[in-house]
Formats: sequence, C-alpha cells, structure tokens
Amino acid sequence: AQKVTQAQTEISVVEKEDVTLDCVYETRDTTYYLFWYKQPPSGELVFLIRRNSFDEQNEISGRYSWNFQKSTSSFNFTITASQVVDSAVYFCALPAYNQGGKLIFGQGTELSVKP
Amino acid sequence: DVKVTQSSRYLVKRTGEKVFLECVQDMDHENMFWYRQDPGLGLRLIYFSYDVKMKEKGDIPEGYSVSREKKERFSLILESASTNQTSMYLCASRGTSGLAIQETQYFGPGTRLLVL
Repeated sequence: AQKVTQAQTEISVVEKEDVTLDCVYETRDTTYYLFWYKQPPSGELVFLIRRNSFDEQNEISGRYSWNFQKSTSSFNFTITASQVVDSAVYFCALPAYNQGGKLIFGQGTELSVKP
Repeated sequence: DVKVTQSSRYLVKRTGEKVFLECVQDMDHENMFWYRQDPGLGLRLIYFSYDVKMKEKGDIPEGYSVSREKKERFSLILESASTNQTSMYLCASRGTSGLAIQETQYFGPGTRLLVL
C-alpha cells in the first residue's frame, strides 16, 4: 500500500532562513507522480509541483526547489530565503492508482516564518 | 487556469438537516473527488467519481452520498447531518488523458461545515 511520511510536524524559522521540508514515500507502482501542495490559513490546497518518477532532475522555481531521489524514496522541498507569506501547511502526496487516483497525503508540515 | 469552485466557504447546519455541498470544475475533467480534513486525521477520501453518474466509495463514505449528473458538477450530500460531520470539506478534480498535467488534482477553496 502507498504511504507518505512527513516526519516534521512543525517548523519555525526566521525570515530569510532556508528551510527544507522532508517527504518519504512508499509505493509498489513502477511509475508514479509525486506532488507538493501548500495550504495557507484560508484552507485552500494550492498545487505547487508535480514530479514524474522517471525524472530525477532537481527542479527550481524561484525560491522553491525540489530534490527527488528515487533510491531513497524521498521528495524534499526547500524554500530559500523564506518569507512570512510562506507560512502554511505543506503536504506531500502520492496517487493511489488502484483507487481512482485518490491522493495519499502525508501528515503535513506546518511552517511558521517569523519576521 | 484550472478553476474548482465550491458553493460555500462556511456553512452552519443543525443536526438532522440534509446538507448539499456543491463542487464545479471548468476543465472538463473526468475525475472528481470529495475529501474531508480533520485535525490529527489528515485528509480522507469520502467518494470519487470517474464519469457522469459513476461513483465509487472512498475510505469514509458512511453518512454521505454523492451525485454527478453533469460532468462539471459533483455534489456531496449529508443525508442527516451529525455533529461528527463537522469538518473541512475539499473537492478536487483531475483529468485522465495520460498527459502529465492531467495527473494533477486541483482543489477548490474548501467548505468549513459546522453542525450544531
């Protein structure tokens, strides 16, 4: 069965610090996608990134970067020079293709960026 | 941009009432999902639909039903609301073409339901 683990429940940093959110997953699928979502206090889940299991290249988007390592089943997310607006709960997710593609979410990491 | 809308951001109902939560997507997606989110329990799938009039139970379907009469609309129904259904309800949609972008689930803004 698929499983996603985000071991860090809460992280608190001061603005401009770099922060890495960890995600470890388990799946028997040979090909799959992984996702990161952001949930600000308003509650909406905002899609951040999708990664195909064939593509292990790191991805950078502005202050965000993602490190996918299939060998260790990890898909970590780094925010460089964090800002107060980055404060949110971040979820890593993996689809369960045998269940309609429903997303298996990690427990979420609550990031608090203080000025 | 994909847009998923939900009929209400906040809803207050009384125990025993019938409650309708509506979700509409504008991307012609085949798949739609209803999740609920609770502190300590995370996000759990209630029902999903892979086509018009088709539905499948998720992990926690008890006390809920769904309706999908049109492709763009997926409704969640609480037949007789109870206090343990107080929660955040999130709707999502996803395509099935096999293209990478179609693999992504896009979520609506959520409905915070309080059952008194």
